Amino acid sequence: KNEVEQSPQNLTAQEGEFITINCSYSVGISALHWLQQHPGGGIVSLFMLSSGKKKHGRLIATINIQEKHSSLHITASHPRDSAVYICGADGLTFGKGTHLIIQP
Amino acid sequence: DGGITQSPKYLFRKEGQNVTLSCEQNLNHDAMYWYRQDPGQGLRLIYYSQIVNDFQKGDIAEGYSVSREKKESFPLTVTSAQKNPTAFYLCASSIGAYNEQFFGPGTRLTVL
Repeated sequence: KNEVEQSPQNLTAQEGEFITINCSYSVGISALHWLQQHPGGGIVSLFMLSSGKKKHGRLIATINIQEKHSSLHITASHPRDSAVYICGADGLTFGKGTHLIIQP
Repeated sequence: DGGITQSPKYLFRKEGQNVTLSCEQNLNHDAMYWYRQDPGQGLRLIYYSQIVNDFQKGDIAEGYSVSREKKESFPLTVTSAQKNPTAFYLCASSIGAYNEQFFGPGTRLTVL
């Protein structure tokens, strides 16, 4: 069974700061998923990656297959980025999420 | 509009009653998933189906049952055997196994 760990569990930052959320997993996977969950519960898929790096707007996701580690970065953070960010191994086993608050 | 729907948004049931949660998608996706979310626990997989008439247990399948008779539909029944059924239930679908998942809005079940 894959064990997925995220850090930090909670993160509060000021608007404009560079944000990094980390995810590690214990067993090799086909793809690592990053999700965003807003208050109210709705979940949106941000990235699915199996190697290297992907970028979408101010969001960047990287993965190191050998290290079994992925990071999600947010550049020029904004209060609307406040949400819970969740990583998942193959979309089947997920971490507990990182609760991000961006203060104006 | 293509998407994935869950109904109802809020559901209340008495202890000991079975209840079925609906999940429908018109994205022509082969794979569908059910997750449970509790505060501080993240998403936990209950069941998933990669194709019609086939499904696999996830990490917390005890007390739940599913069916996949149609590609578009993957209903979840929470049985009276589930010890602590009050939770937020999310359904998702993907074009195939391990592909990007699209999530429904969720059903918040409260058992009184």
